[in-house]
Amino acid sequence: NAGVMQNPRHLVRRRGQEARLRCSPMKGHSHVYWYRQLPEEGLKFMVYLQKENIIDESGMPKERFSAEFPKEGPSILRIQQVVRGDSAAYFCASSPKSGSAAEKLFFGSGTQLSVL
Amino acid sequence: ILNVEQSPQSLHVQEGDSTNFTCSFPSSNFYALHWYRWETAKSPEALFVMTLNGDEKKKGRISATLNTKEGYSYLYIKGSQPEDSATYLCAFRNAGKSTFGDGTTLTVKP
Repeated sequence: NAGVMQNPRHLVRRRGQEARLRCSPMKGHSHVYWYRQLPEEGLKFMVYLQKENIIDESGMPKERFSAEFPKEGPSILRIQQVVRGDSAAYFCASSPKSGSAAEKLFFGSGTQLSVL
Repeated sequence: ILNVEQSPQSLHVQEGDSTNFTCSFPSSNFYALHWYRWETAKSPEALFVMTLNGDEKKKGRISATLNTKEGYSYLYIKGSQPEDSATYLCAFRNAGKSTFGDGTTLTVKP
């Protein structure tokens, strides 16, 4: 049973370019969460999605950031016009169908975004 | 904004020492408290999910307790080993998202 898959592992972008980060949840999981870890900081919640729905995006910056989890395919975190402050590790996690608070999260290995 | 705090920030112990860390969280609207272990160059992995006041969980030499009324959880490691070196995260989980503390980084010296 494959775990949560994130790609790419490392992504380098120049200022002003777009970054697309992909996350395939574990088989049978329909809840996806994105977290960001800035240098020297902890994991900060960004967005919580179910298939085709954004449930909670309270941690997403209001501009340039968007996320989707389509019916088919991986969840995508998209960052437009990247700036150096976007450089961070972005982690995706998934949980099973019910989304209950008692369900643990399964994490991917993260994508390290570097903005030059 | 939920405030989840962990202490200490880092801890250095000798092999064989027992140690414990603290996680503080809001005592209202409690759903669950999760503990994760995060080894360098790997992803966080769940250790415990705790939902009831007074819960105690144990996995080998690692155990955890929960006090939802006062808003804290303790993680204990008995007889620390070098392979226990990692960052230990707690997460306050409500119906949707998990809010993580910044973690306690444990280094166990042989």
